[in-house]
Amino acid sequence: GAGVSQSPRYKVAKRGQDVALRCDPISGHVSLFWYQQALGQGPEFLTYFQNEAQLDKSGLPSDRFFAERPEGSVSTLKIQRTQQEDSAVYLCASSSEVVYYGYTFGSGTRLTVV
Amino acid sequence: QKEVEQDPGPLSVPEGAIVSLNCTYSNSAFQYFMWYRQYSRKGPELLMYTYSSGNKEDGRFTAQVDKSSKYISLFIRDSQPSDSATYLCAMGEGNAGNMLTFGGGTRLMVKP
Repeated sequence: GAGVSQSPRYKVAKRGQDVALRCDPISGHVSLFWYQQALGQGPEFLTYFQNEAQLDKSGLPSDRFFAERPEGSVSTLKIQRTQQEDSAVYLCASSSEVVYYGYTFGSGTRLTVV
Repeated sequence: QKEVEQDPGPLSVPEGAIVSLNCTYSNSAFQYFMWYRQYSRKGPELLMYTYSSGNKEDGRFTAQVDKSSKYISLFIRDSQPSDSATYLCAMGEGNAGNMLTFGGGTRLMVKP
């Protein structure tokens, strides 16, 4: 597709539920990033993939967060046993080059934990 | 103290005004400086991308970087109501796979 596609756009989860958020990057993009954006804040880095390799997961806030990109294209961010503090917009971004910060972002998944 | 500081606003200006948006930072390793625009319920969209110090102009937008003062600016000339959005500064160190560090964003409102 022409842009980065994320699904679902909105997700309401009960506290303790597991959720899976999907990202379809621009075809052929090598680099893929996940960011978390709390209300009224800037995005904060979660994790980075270069093709299928997860090279940096230093931003994942706890071991309840897990991301994968098994074939180097689609990525899934999974959150286990969701907590209220996980409520945020989860943004996916991709880039055609290894070192280039002009990412293309998706519109995000807004997660609300109740 | 956050690595990148940005006044949250909101900043309200009349149509046609010149807008100045700013960020300060503390990490001397930052070499790449970006400005993103984010409309409500949308992802950030890249506006300006600069490397190291200096100025860059693109249409109505001018980005300035002063690494000695750890200060970056975005100027918008002839502001339009369609410029109403949140503006995020972002910075990177330049290593492969290194993440962007964002400011908290400034909300801009341009009144017709």
